[in-house]
Amino acid sequence: DARVTQTPRHKVTEMGQEVTMRCQPILGHNTVFWYRQTMMQGLELLAYFRNRAPLDDSGMPKDRFSAEMPDATLATLKIQPSEPRDSAVYFCASGPGTGSGNTIYFGEGSWLTVV
Amino acid sequence: AQSVTQLGSHVSVSEGALVLLRCNYSSSVPPYLFWYVQYPNQGLQLLLKYTSAATLVKGINGFEAEFKKSETSFHLTKPSAHMSDAAEYFCAVSENTGFQKLVFGTGTRLLVSP
Repeated sequence: DARVTQTPRHKVTEMGQEVTMRCQPILGHNTVFWYRQTMMQGLELLAYFRNRAPLDDSGMPKDRFSAEMPDATLATLKIQPSEPRDSAVYFCASGPGTGSGNTIYFGEGSWLTVV
Repeated sequence: AQSVTQLGSHVSVSEGALVLLRCNYSSSVPPYLFWYVQYPNQGLQLLLKYTSAATLVKGINGFEAEFKKSETSFHLTKPSAHMSDAAEYFCAVSENTGFQKLVFGTGTRLLVSP
């Protein structure tokens, strides 16, 4: 059963610390997304990769957030330094191609709390 | 810019009653539309999608949605609610531009009472 795998599932960290979230997309998927979910803002697209190249990261605060795909099986989202307002659920998702109607599959999320 | 509006942040129904969750979209080009469901402490799971084939789309768990271009709507329905349907439901739109970028609505929490 193919699925998007995210680690860690839960993370509590202190303000100012670096946080790295990892995602393994479904094998063969060439598009990867990072979404953030909060009560106030709902689901926001942070970054979008195709064939490991970043296509759109306009939703991501550039001063503290960075997203990369070191290889086709790993996507990372890093926050440095973290702040309490970064507390949220971060979802990774992957898709099988460039068609707009293709289904995007979500991981179970990384629940981040910054204290 | 594309967007979706979900009317009602919470919808309450009794078990066995009709479920109707509303979604209206705005798009400058023919859209692709999706409904996702999120159960507590889980990720989003696709319920169904409209990709310009049949306007009435059937999904998993007995849900269906009808694309109405004249009303710019894509409402989600289920004839008879089950307790297990209690979850958050998100409508999303993707423009037919070759990119899979989804824009989500704010979500509707479905509450089902016995």
